[in-house]
Amino acid sequence: GENVEQHPSTLSVQEGDSAVIKCTYSDSASNYFPWYKQELGKRPQLIIDIRSNVGEKKDQRIAVTLNKTAKHFSLHITETQPEDSAVYFCAASILGNQFYFGTGTSLTVIP
Amino acid sequence: DGGITQSPKYLFRKEGQNVTLSCEQNLNHDAMYWYRQDPGQGLRLIYYSQIVNDFQKGDIAEGYSVSREKKESFPLTVTSAQKNPTAFYLCASAEQGGNQPQHFGDGTRLSIL
Repeated sequence: GENVEQHPSTLSVQEGDSAVIKCTYSDSASNYFPWYKQELGKRPQLIIDIRSNVGEKKDQRIAVTLNKTAKHFSLHITETQPEDSAVYFCAASILGNQFYFGTGTSLTVIP
Repeated sequence: DGGITQSPKYLFRKEGQNVTLSCEQNLNHDAMYWYRQDPGQGLRLIYYSQIVNDFQKGDIAEGYSVSREKKESFPLTVTSAQKNPTAFYLCASAEQGGNQPQHFGDGTRLSIL
């Protein structure tokens, strides 16, 4: 089955700096890649997603890039704010049948 | 999302006891999922269902059972065969047709007495 690896496991940045989280996947048939943000004790919330026919997608301060050849995708958060502090999960799926999640990145934005 | 309701929020299980976690959605989604989340780990798939009266095992189905008698409901039973049930359980749903984002409930935290 699919294997998704996520790095780093923890990340601390100064407020206003950028944060980058990287994920790799193993199954070249995976074609949908969502990113979720989870605050402590709460539900994961979708923040951005990308499909395999697109190389990059941006939504305000958040962007995701996808390299199908190398089988990796990354989350970029610019101008970080304290409220960006949370755990971020990447995931990969094949036709949406099953979702395979990374182990999460705990992001801390230092004011 | 307000469309997915999990209950209870906290649940305690005694030795040898089966417990059932509820998941209800009013988003008219065909697909529903159960995940287990342990500290420092990602979400691991227990069971999923793409359509009523049908479901498939995920990566860690042993010790769990599900049913899908109605489109809006996907209850998870943690049986006594699950020796380490303490975890945070998340239910999710998604539209069918592939490549649609999952919507999650607020979760149930299960602990052993």
